Amino acid sequence: EAGVTQFPSHSVIEKGQTVTLRCDPISGHDNLYWYRRVMGKEIKFLLHFVKESKQDESGMPNNRFLAERTGGTYSTLKVQPAELEDSGVYFCASSHFPEGVNEQYFGPGTRLTVT
Amino acid sequence: AQKVTQAQTEISVVEKEDVTLDCVYETRDTTYYLFWYKQPPSGELVFLIRRNSFDEQNEISGRYSWNFQKSTSSFNFTITASQVVDSAVYFCALSDYSNSGYALNFGKGTSLLVTP
Repeated sequence: EAGVTQFPSHSVIEKGQTVTLRCDPISGHDNLYWYRRVMGKEIKFLLHFVKESKQDESGMPNNRFLAERTGGTYSTLKVQPAELEDSGVYFCASSHFPEGVNEQYFGPGTRLTVT
Repeated sequence: AQKVTQAQTEISVVEKEDVTLDCVYETRDTTYYLFWYKQPPSGELVFLIRRNSFDEQNEISGRYSWNFQKSTSSFNFTITASQVVDSAVYFCALSDYSNSGYALNFGKGTSLLVTP
C-alpha cells in the first residue's frame, strides 16, 4: 500500500510569488490534514478535510493560504502571494474514520523556502 | 495555551548511553491519545507509538520504552543503549476531542544527537 505522498519535496520561490503544494493521501483515507513547521517551532495544525469538506481551517495563518480537496482525493495548498514568514516544512497526513481511532500517517513534507 | 511541553530542546549523548525524552501534556478531555514521532535528518515524520488515555500500561519495543503516567500528565520516552542512528528530532503529540478530527497538537520537539 502506498503511503502519503507530497509534491514537490522542496520549493524555493521569491516573495510575492505563488506556490501550490500537493498531497496524495493513502487510498481510502477520508481524513486529510495539513500541518506546518516553521523553523525552530512546533508543528502546527493548519486544517482538516473529511473527504472534500473542510471541517476545520482554524489553523490557517491568513487568507493568503487556500486549501482544496476536489473529489475527496488529493489536496492542494496554495500560498498566494508568498511571504518570507511562510518558509517552513509543510506536512500532510491522512487517516481512517471512525473519529477517535486516529492514527495519522504523514507524508515526507514539502520544504518551502521564500526568499 | 500550549498543550504539549517538551522541555528539553537538545540532548547530546554518547553511543550506548540511555536517554529519556520528557513530555508533559495538558487536556480537559478524559479520552485522548498520545503519540511519539521521530523526524530523522531526511525530514519525514515516522510514527513510533500511540497510547490512549485508558491504557496506562508501559510499553517496550526493542530499545524503546514509554512511561505513561496520568497522575503527572507525562508520557516519557526512553531509548536504551542509544545508537548514532537514533539521532533525530523527536516529537510528542496529543490528540483530543477539542481538535477537529482529533488533529495532533505537537510539542516543540527534542533534538537528540548521539555521538560515537
